[in-house]
Amino acid sequence: AQSVTQLGSHVSVSEGALVLLRCNYSSSVPPYLFWYVQYPNQGLQLLLKYTSAATLVKGINGFEAEFKKSETSFHLTKPSAHMSDAAEYFCAVTGMDSSYKLIFGSGTRLLVRP
Amino acid sequence: DTEVTQTPKHLVMGMTNKKSLKCEQHMGHRAMYWYKQKAKKPPELMFVYSYEKLSINESVPSRFSPECPNSSLLNLHLHALQPEDSALYLCASSQDRAGTSSGNTIYFGEGSWLTVV
Repeated sequence: AQSVTQLGSHVSVSEGALVLLRCNYSSSVPPYLFWYVQYPNQGLQLLLKYTSAATLVKGINGFEAEFKKSETSFHLTKPSAHMSDAAEYFCAVTGMDSSYKLIFGSGTRLLVRP
Repeated sequence: DTEVTQTPKHLVMGMTNKKSLKCEQHMGHRAMYWYKQKAKKPPELMFVYSYEKLSINESVPSRFSPECPNSSLLNLHLHALQPEDSALYLCASSQDRAGTSSGNTIYFGEGSWLTVV
């Protein structure tokens, strides 16, 4: 079985500051991990995914995430926040045995202050 | 081109109405999904179609009836809904429902906002 925990329902940063959104997973099988972003009144857009090819995964819009097996973490980072990054971010996990079913975290709302 | 198209974008319906939500993808994906998302919550899986056959029903009430006319289209028929069914309905697709070494990325549409009055 898989599960995802996102620490912090809201994260607020200043424009230009580092963005760090935390995600910890639990999985009994090798996981596939995803970050999705949802802008206001829109659907979900894939930011990046981890599939065991490389532990540091680069995504769109300058985001990246690092898979750390020892810490069961897949935190999302961006060196410099932009106002347009304000959105809801979801971490999700599937396993090879059940990859039809995305298990989502509860989401983190990123607020970017001018 | 990773695009899943949903219509309508907004739908208001009465509790006695019958309406449908439509979804289309032209990526050659063989798995399609319906998700329901309430405000400030993550999406919840409703149905999974694999090769045009319903493979997963997550105990969804029968007032929601999915249909997959062909490999590119997915419908969600709505009848006798309740106000608590008001939500964002997301369609999604993926290459296949089975696991692969590259991971089975699920692509979402923009959603249909449903309001039941």
